[in-house]
Amino acid sequence: AQRVTQPEKLLSVFKGAPVELKCNYSYSGSPELFWYVQYSRQRLQLLLRHISRESIKGFTADLNKGETSFHLKKPFAQEEDSAMYYCALSAPNSNSGYALNFGKGTSLLVTP
Amino acid sequence: DAGVTQSPTHLIKTRGQHVTLRCSPISGHKSVSWYQQVLGQGPQFIFQYYEKEERGRGNFPDRFSARQFPNYSSELNVNALLLGDSALYLCASSAVLAPSSYEQYFGPGTRLTVT
Repeated sequence: AQRVTQPEKLLSVFKGAPVELKCNYSYSGSPELFWYVQYSRQRLQLLLRHISRESIKGFTADLNKGETSFHLKKPFAQEEDSAMYYCALSAPNSNSGYALNFGKGTSLLVTP
Repeated sequence: DAGVTQSPTHLIKTRGQHVTLRCSPISGHKSVSWYQQVLGQGPQFIFQYYEKEERGRGNFPDRFSARQFPNYSSELNVNALLLGDSALYLCASSAVLAPSSYEQYFGPGTRLTVT
């Protein structure tokens, strides 16, 4: 079964501090991993995906298959990074097709 | 393009009633997915449609059904509403089926309250 775990419900950091939002997954095959973000009063939107290996808004995430993790990192947090972050996994199967399986989310609060 | 649109924005229903939620995908997108987001949880997959055919179904009872129309818009129907169906219902569209290659764009959601 596919499962995504985000152990922190709330993460509070000071502006300029490094931030790491944790994501662990369980899946025996090769999943696709994503980070979605929801800013206040805005829609859920894609932040980055592991296959792109890109940095978006200073955020990066590396897929570690050995530790089954996909942690989101940023070296210097900004106040505008305050938002709800969801880790999501997609692994096609005969029942759920290409559905996204989301974690419960981590609320990031960056204070001045 | 206004992006993915959903209607209505808010809805209040009584237990046992039926509800229909609507979604219009981004122009040119052929895949629509539905998710349920209960307060404090991440979105949970309900259905995925592509080219008017069901391509995926989540772990929801048969009271939940959906369809996709020739113009690629979609409806989610829920029968015999329960209090536990109260949630934000999200619709997402993508150009093709696999999310790994193409982004899923989410709508603003429909807030359903069952009393």
